[in-house]
Amino acid sequence: QQQVKQSPQSLIVQKGGISIINCAYENTAFDYFPWYQQFPGKGPALLIAIRPDVSEKKEGRFTISFNKSAKQFSLHIMDSQPGDSATYFCAGRRSNYQLIWGAGTKLIIKP
Amino acid sequence: SAVISQKPSRDICQRGTSLTIQCQVDSQVTMMFWYRQQPGQSLTLIATANQGSEATYESGFVIDKFPISRPNLTFSTLTVSNMSPEDSSIYLCSVEIPRNTGELFFGEGSRLTVL
Repeated sequence: QQQVKQSPQSLIVQKGGISIINCAYENTAFDYFPWYQQFPGKGPALLIAIRPDVSEKKEGRFTISFNKSAKQFSLHIMDSQPGDSATYFCAGRRSNYQLIWGAGTKLIIKP
Repeated sequence: SAVISQKPSRDICQRGTSLTIQCQVDSQVTMMFWYRQQPGQSLTLIATANQGSEATYESGFVIDKFPISRPNLTFSTLTVSNMSPEDSSIYLCSVEIPRNTGELFFGEGSRLTVL
């Protein structure tokens, strides 16, 4: 009930392509779904987040698609750039405000 | 937003010793979170530190192994006690600003290697 399953574990995308990372959750009480971006040697940083009453949120090249009935959400990175190469974590927030983290996806954008 | 400074950024320690990691935040926060991230892995919450009260530890983490201090609203320390090679990891300090939003700000982490 507490897990957030993230896939793929790693992803290689050509520059200019679309990167897609998927997450699925079990706990229907999650009320907030953030995506964090982590560069090597740095702490994670909030990239974009969505609440379950919204089906899509877009910020620049980054879009979250949310499917409440399927309990799935995904991150789409349009026009992927080498600077997007990082590890991405999805998460779900419990009612006590604790985040449950996905396993992470290492994204490599090839020039 | 928040700026979080962690010290040390990295250290190499001998088995059986203890190391204290410091976390300084540029604003006052009620709760501070300590995470562990093993190489190539996700984040695991160790404990939540509230100012003026005992830290709350997650399953699998105990105070004797990871004592935490929270003397004021901008500072916390995490000690990794009696270290073994299995404690080699990145330890991250985090705060949530604004409170109860789910938006976490992280320090750059303290990379600990135990020989």
